[in-house]
Amino acid sequence: EVKLVESGGGLVQPGRSLRLSCAAAGFSFEDFGMHWVRQVPGKGLEWVSGITWNSGGIAYADSVKGRFVISRDNGKNSLYLQMNSLRVEDTALYYCAKDTAYVITDTFDIWGQGTMVTVSS
Amino acid sequence: QSALTQPPSASGSPGQSVTISCSGTSSDVGGDNYVSWYQQHPGKVPKVIIYEVSKRPSGVPDRFSGSKSGNTASLTVSGLQAEDEAEYYCSSYAGSNVVVFGGGTKLTVL
Repeated sequence: EVKLVESGGGLVQPGRSLRLSCAAAGFSFEDFGMHWVRQVPGKGLEWVSGITWNSGGIAYADSVKGRFVISRDNGKNSLYLQMNSLRVEDTALYYCAKDTAYVITDTFDIWGQGTMVTVSS
Repeated sequence: QSALTQPPSASGSPGQSVTISCSGTSSDVGGDNYVSWYQQHPGKVPKVIIYEVSKRPSGVPDRFSGSKSGNTASLTVSGLQAEDEAEYYCSSYAGSNVVVFGGGTKLTVL
């Protein structure tokens, strides 16, 4: 079964850090670009970050640039998002999503169920 | 990096057609043929229904079609059915490995 399972979310104070993980199964993880997309409950989708198959291409939304770091371990079929200097406005459900190509495109064909991050004092 | 512009809502009666627009710039929507559309039902994960402007993934009904003119892309849903009621998001590749989404359009089937 093709699936993505996120973990690592939770309640964190502003200014602190959190690391999200995404475990992939059922497909050749090392052959595809991967992304993090977030959604405030009841609101729209926001692309957060993407990484190419070999980590050679990485990009971030302006809203998280300089604070978040995306990475992947193809040997462990895993994607990560290190979130530093968290802000209240980072509160959202964070989805891991698989690209349809080895590079970064805007087509995500597999999504995880998401992990909730709540930033609050 | 600015979000693409979508109307907040759209509606139509069963059997009718409805078109949702997605406006961007020459750096994203107008830049190449990377425009996708996602359908999200309440409490569910987004599902891609159109990619590369007008292509449909396997299993997506041909009632869903996409097009683009200049910096504006469009999603048309023909023969509306009750199960089409959902939130629809457009997305586009914006260059330099950046992706942008639209704000979403809530489609109501009257």
